[in-house]
Amino acid sequence: EAGVVQSPRYKIIEKKQPVAFWCNPISGHNTLYWYLQNLGQGPELLIRYENEEAVDDSQLPKDRFSAERLKGVDSTLKIQPAELGDSAVYLCASSLGSAEAFFGQGTRLTVV
Amino acid sequence: KNEVEQSPQNLTAQEGEFITINCSYSVGISALHWLQQHPGGGIVSLFMLSSGKKKHGRLIATINIQEKHSSLHITASHPRDSAVYICAVRFSHDMRFGAGTRLTVKP
Repeated sequence: EAGVVQSPRYKIIEKKQPVAFWCNPISGHNTLYWYLQNLGQGPELLIRYENEEAVDDSQLPKDRFSAERLKGVDSTLKIQPAELGDSAVYLCASSLGSAEAFFGQGTRLTVV
Repeated sequence: KNEVEQSPQNLTAQEGEFITINCSYSVGISALHWLQQHPGGGIVSLFMLSSGKKKHGRLIATINIQEKHSSLHITASHPRDSAVYICAVRFSHDMRFGAGTRLTVKP
C-alpha cells in the first residue's frame, strides 16, 4: 500500500507568487497534519485535520496560508503570496486518530 | 525552552562504532517516536514506544518515562545510517519534535 504521497517534491517560485502543495494520506487515516520544517530544525505544526474539520490551525499564518480537506481525504496547502521566509520543507503526515503518524516525502519550497 | 531536547546536535562516527542519541522532554506524553530523515526530506518512522525498549535490526530504542528520557542506539554503524534522527513526543493529538541529530558515519 502506498504511504503518504505529497506533490510536488520540489518547487521554486518567485516571491509574491502563489504556490500550492498536495497531500494524499494513507487510506483510512482520518487525521492529517501539515508541518513546516526550517533548515536544521524539527517540524512545526501548521494545521491538523480530523476528517474534513480543521481542529488545530492556531499556528497557521492565516494572512497568507490556507488549507483545505474538502472530502476528508486529500488536502491542499496554499501560500499566497509567498515570501522569501517561506522557503522550507512542507511535510504532510497522517494517522488513525492518535495512533502512529506516517510522513510523506515532503515538498521543498524555495522562494527567490 | 523547547519541550523536546536532543543531543548531540551533530555526531560524526567511524563505520562500526556504537552510536547513542539522546532525547529529553518536559511534558507528559502518550508515546515517543524516533524518526529518520534523509537529505531528500522524507521522514521514516523508526520506532514508536511508550515504555521499555524496542529493537529492530541494528537499532535499539529505550525510554524511561519517570526520567522523561529516551535513547536511540545504533550498533555497528554504517555510512548508510547517515541521516538526521528526530525525536518526537506525542500527547493527545499533538506532536512536538526535537531539532534533530545529524549523524555522519564515515567509512
